[in-house]
Amino acid sequence: AQSVTQLDSQVPVFEEAPVELRCNYSSSVSVYLFWYVQYPNQGLQLLLKYLSGSTLVESINGFEAEFNKSQTSFHLRKPSVHISDTAEYFCAVSGRGFQKLVFGTGTRLLVSP
Amino acid sequence: GAGVSQSPSNKVTEKGKDVELRCDPISGHTALYWYRQRLGQGLEFLIYFQGNSAPDKSGLPSDRFSAERTGESVSTLTIQRTQQEDSAVYLCASSLGAGNTEAFFGQGTRLTVV
Repeated sequence: AQSVTQLDSQVPVFEEAPVELRCNYSSSVSVYLFWYVQYPNQGLQLLLKYLSGSTLVESINGFEAEFNKSQTSFHLRKPSVHISDTAEYFCAVSGRGFQKLVFGTGTRLLVSP
Repeated sequence: GAGVSQSPSNKVTEKGKDVELRCDPISGHTALYWYRQRLGQGLEFLIYFQGNSAPDKSGLPSDRFSAERTGESVSTLTIQRTQQEDSAVYLCASSLGAGNTEAFFGQGTRLTVV
């Protein structure tokens, strides 16, 4: 079985500052890793995913995440955040094959001017 | 349909009543999930359907909770004898099934037990 830990429940940052949202996972098998985002009053949507190949994956709005197998981590980073990045971010893991998607408890990113 | 559809969007019920929540997944999606999101908290896994396999019910919090899915179509989540702690947003998601595919979420049903 897989599990995900997001240690930071809330991360406040100022606009244009860098940010890192931490995600660690546990699994006895190879995994796929995802970050989902939930903007205020909206549904969850996929931000980016790691399936295989390059360990660094990027989203269209400037976020990136790096799969680190030795540290079992998939931290999300952005070099310069915007007010519009204020949202709840969920890390998720799935095993290979037909496995259920397991989510972390989420990190609320609060960007202030 | 174009996306995952959930109904009702909001439900207020009295403690002790039964409620039924509905989810229409994206056509062709073999996997369907139910999650619960309490106010200010993360996503709590409830149940997972994958094709014709036996569902993974390991997240259902009590025997008051049950869910059904007919084939690869509509799913209903039923909560019997609702309690105030059942108040939450219930989210449904569907995917093509394999672990590497994106899950698409509905807007959720906000359940309030008074």
